[in-house]
This record gives sequence, C-alpha cells and structure tokens, in this order.
Amino acid sequence: SQQGEEDPQALSIQEGENATMNCSYKTSINNLQWYRQNSGRGLVHLILIRSNEREKHSGRLRVTLDTSKKSSSLLITASRAADTASYFCATDPGNTGKLIFGQGTTLQVKP
Amino acid sequence: EAGVVQSPRYKIIEKKQPVAFWCNPISGHNTLYWYLQNLGQGPELLIRYENEEAVDDSQLPKDRFSAERLKGVDSTLKIQPAELGDSAVYLCASSPSGGADTQYFGPGTRLTVL
Repeated sequence: SQQGEEDPQALSIQEGENATMNCSYKTSINNLQWYRQNSGRGLVHLILIRSNEREKHSGRLRVTLDTSKKSSSLLITASRAADTASYFCATDPGNTGKLIFGQGTTLQVKP
Repeated sequence: EAGVVQSPRYKIIEKKQPVAFWCNPISGHNTLYWYLQNLGQGPELLIRYENEEAVDDSQLPKDRFSAERLKGVDSTLKIQPAELGDSAVYLCASSPSGGADTQYFGPGTRLTVL
C-alpha cells in the first residue's frame, strides 16, 4: 500500500527553471523524507523534515510541510540536467523505520 | 566508505526456478531492509532486520520468499519458485539503527522472470 501520492507524475522543464513536486499522505507522521532515484540506480536520501518544521533548505532544495493538509512540496531551484531523476516522498508513520513511499515524480531537465 | 553492495545487478530466470539476492550493508549499520520496486512505483518494504532478528516481515510473501541475515551483517533474499509477477527490482538498504535514521540504498537487483 502506498502512503504518499506525488503530483505531477511526470515533469519536463528546461535547465535553469525551477521544479516543484508535491506529495500528499494519509496518516499522521513524525517526519517526511524525500529521495532521488536516477535511472537504474538505488535511492539517495535528499532531505528529512520533521512534523514540527514547516520549511527546510538544503542547497538548491527547499521542502515545505503542511501537516494540516497532510502535504509536502519539494522545490528544486535553478535545475540542471543532472537533476533528471525520479523523486519520491516517504513517511514513517510509526517512527519504526518502515518507510512508505509514494509513486514518485519523474523529472526531466532538458539542457 | 563503501555503500550498500548488492549482487547480482541483473538476473534473468525461467518461471518456477529459484533465485537468490545478496546484500552487504554499510559497515556498522544494524538495520537492514529489503524492498520490492515495481516499474513506475515506489519501493515497498518486504522485511526489516535489527541485527539478525527480522522485526517486520509482515509484507513478505512467506509461501515463496525467505530471507536471512546471519551474524547480523550480510543478508540473502530468496524466491522459490519464482513467478512471472516477481519481475521487479529488489532493493536493499541499511541504516545505523531503526526509527527515523536515513536509509542508504544499494543499486538493486533487477529480476526478470520469463
């Protein structure tokens, strides 16, 4: 079962533009994480935001969390071709390490 | 520091054959996870180990899937017999401990069942 749903499922932009991906989830959470997966590779952890945080930054990444709406967004600013990948949000409702992933957003950044 | 190592990277087998996947987690990581990822989907947890103990195997189809983590380090995931619907990527991940720790993923094994 998937806890999160990402929107859009696919996104295509030009290099230099910003990319925004959204994630909605169903149950209460302690934290929400974003992962990136390049084609044919494993997932790489990008950022974790806790339920008492509203916004977090890491380099060109900005994540927001709205627990009242059970939603999160990932913003990648000044995108690069190397950002082409699938992006997944994941939650751990029980804080046990059992991550529940969304279906992901596939981002293509055209040079 | 080496990341999570998985082998093989690719495996093609006939249905009803057995298959095994191997995972070596990051040194010192007590928690190990096996995930199944179908095409176009996010990973789904199959089993989670704390050291050598399977603490969550509720999603593991135990009629054909089995896993072990001897000595709390390397782990093996087995399917016997494989079915066409088992074609997917099998990901291994590890973390220092459970809970909200960041999980570090291996490259995965892509299984094709013919």
